[in-house]
Amino acid sequence: EPEVTQTPSHQVTQMGQEVILRCVPISNHLYFYWYRQILGQKVEFLVSFYNNEISEKSEIFDDQFSVERPDGSNFTLKIRSTKLEDSAMYFCASSELGARGNTIYFGEGSWLTVV
Amino acid sequence: AQSVAQPEDQVNVAEGNPLTVKCTYSVSGNPYLFWYVQYPNRGLQFLLKYITGDNLVKGSYGFEAEFNKSQTSFHLKKPSALVSDSALYFCAVRTNQAGTALIFGKGTTLSVSS
Repeated sequence: EPEVTQTPSHQVTQMGQEVILRCVPISNHLYFYWYRQILGQKVEFLVSFYNNEISEKSEIFDDQFSVERPDGSNFTLKIRSTKLEDSAMYFCASSELGARGNTIYFGEGSWLTVV
Repeated sequence: AQSVAQPEDQVNVAEGNPLTVKCTYSVSGNPYLFWYVQYPNRGLQFLLKYITGDNLVKGSYGFEAEFNKSQTSFHLKKPSALVSDSALYFCAVRTNQAGTALIFGKGTTLSVSS
């Protein structure tokens, strides 16, 4: 069964450093997403991406965050200058289409620990 | 504002007994409702969804959920629980009026004892 894959599974970084989280969405999917889950809290939407541009973003997704599809398969989330409060599990996800009823499939997540 | 409530932090059931994990929602417009499961150290796995039509939807691993518009609920159920069902369960909603974001509840930990 096709799945969303994410790397790294866990990353520890120093405050102020740049981090790039990588994802390979399901191959025939057109919509890509990043969500995050701070330990013990809800899963929160960060950004959605379609046709090489951001289609929606939350208030969490400020100027320190960026997303990119550098090639035909990868989808990345960059955090420019990490803060302690960025420590969370980051989930990449994809869906075949963007319609509301389409299922969003998630990867296994990347744990980011900022020290 | 859209929101999803999972009123129970934890549900405990004995193996073989029926289980229910509760979810209520508050949205403007028609809801599209989803259940996901998260096993320890794993990602979010899709279980089932309600889009339209029959209020009772069936999904993976023998789970089902009933959409109740008047009570704005979408409770997850299974007739006979297994120890392997122990996990964290998330209810989520999208609407046709808001953006494309999937809004999650805080999650309910299901613990099935043998």
